[in-house]
Amino acid sequence: DTAVSQTPKYLVTQMGNDKSIKCEQNLGHDTMYWYKQDSKKFLKIMFSYNNKELIINETVPNRFSPKSPDKAHLNLHINSLELGDSAVYFCASSQSSVSGNSPLHFGNGTRLTVT
Amino acid sequence: AQTVTQSQPEMSVQEAETVTLSCTYDTSESNYYLFWYKQPPSRQMILVIRQEAYKQQNATENRFSVNFQKAAKSFSLKISDSQLGDTAMYFCAPTRPGSQGNLIFGKGTKLSVKP
Repeated sequence: DTAVSQTPKYLVTQMGNDKSIKCEQNLGHDTMYWYKQDSKKFLKIMFSYNNKELIINETVPNRFSPKSPDKAHLNLHINSLELGDSAVYFCASSQSSVSGNSPLHFGNGTRLTVT
Repeated sequence: AQTVTQSQPEMSVQEAETVTLSCTYDTSESNYYLFWYKQPPSRQMILVIRQEAYKQQNATENRFSVNFQKAAKSFSLKISDSQLGDTAMYFCAPTRPGSQGNLIFGKGTKLSVKP
């Protein structure tokens, strides 16, 4: 009965490879997000989708491509991985609201290590 | 750009005592929401408490309460009767203006509760 689930939990790969992280939520939310947490624990928004439409795209290299097949899923594909991509990636969801009163519900994170 | 400042990178408290974590932020909005999230060593992001900026009354959730000073743009978290399980990173996060719920996170305060 996990609310926001992301896979895999850990991902170790070599530079130059392409990898994907999957995220699914069963909360009925219509907004989903990807956040990146660096080695200093700083959390920064990468993307946000509302009802499958991209609404936030922070200054993220175009090697990162989110895909939302439906409002319950938001996957993250990363091409040509670099050492600096090593981080923990969190998927989150919320009920959309102009006021912003709906809290984010987070997945457990994917620790990506690029060697 | 909106900024969030958590001026205490690390804090420690004895079990059963009270501790206050500080947070200040910068916003041009008049209505917004503020959140505190907790991230224990398990890496999960857990909502601790939420405050609506148009409400003068400070939010409380069991042992957790906030001191919200809107004019000063200050949103501190008080933890009473600290427990070992409160050991975690704590992140302050106001909503980003016009973002339909997107949060801007502070850099976090690492809290250690000592027996």
